[in-house]
Amino acid sequence: DAKTTQPTSMDCAEGRAANLPCNHSTISGNEYVYWYRQIHSQGPQYIIHGLKNNETNEMASLIITEDRKSSTLILPHATLRDTAVYYCIVRVPDSGGGADGLTFGKGTHLIIQP
Amino acid sequence: DGGITQSPKYLFRKEGQNVTLSCEQNLNHDAMYWYRQDPGQGLRLIYYSQIVNDFQKGDIAEGYSVSREKKESFPLTVTSAQKNPTAFYLCASSHVGIRSEKLFFGSGTQLSVL
Repeated sequence: DAKTTQPTSMDCAEGRAANLPCNHSTISGNEYVYWYRQIHSQGPQYIIHGLKNNETNEMASLIITEDRKSSTLILPHATLRDTAVYYCIVRVPDSGGGADGLTFGKGTHLIIQP
Repeated sequence: DGGITQSPKYLFRKEGQNVTLSCEQNLNHDAMYWYRQDPGQGLRLIYYSQIVNDFQKGDIAEGYSVSREKKESFPLTVTSAQKNPTAFYLCASSHVGIRSEKLFFGSGTQLSVL
């Protein structure tokens, strides 16, 4: 799995867009970008994933640069409940019928300020 | 509602004692996982199972044991050989294959040593 680099922490004002960067300069052509978040004392929650096109769902948008060496997770209108640790993970989906878990680094601690 | 349930939420272990953490899922997932999280750190994989009656060691399996006798259940035993068991333990499940990167997590068990 490609190595990812994320800022340790970020602040964002409530109601504004939160933009969380992730650097994955060694990503290979068949590796996807996955985002999870973990609210304090809870289990991580899947947010979104993508290969090369921008993706959007009810939780967030994922913007992947054309060279795929970095990506940004966007929470369009951050609320206090979005305060959490956000994890960026890069790996090849298991097409062989297996499942061996994901590697979670330290992520970015996003703090939404009132 | 479908989901993954961990119990208990808090657990205390005495020196030399084995303790077992429960994890049950009703999502019909083939794969299940146990992670350990220390304060301010990412998640580390202890054990995972892709199918009933089979499981594999993760990155930090020493001092832990698991069983997978039923599809729905994947209990974790923290043995007396684990010298530093105080941590937050997370159980997760997923489909296998191409959807295996979307993990569903329980709410965790905080284990402390008396």
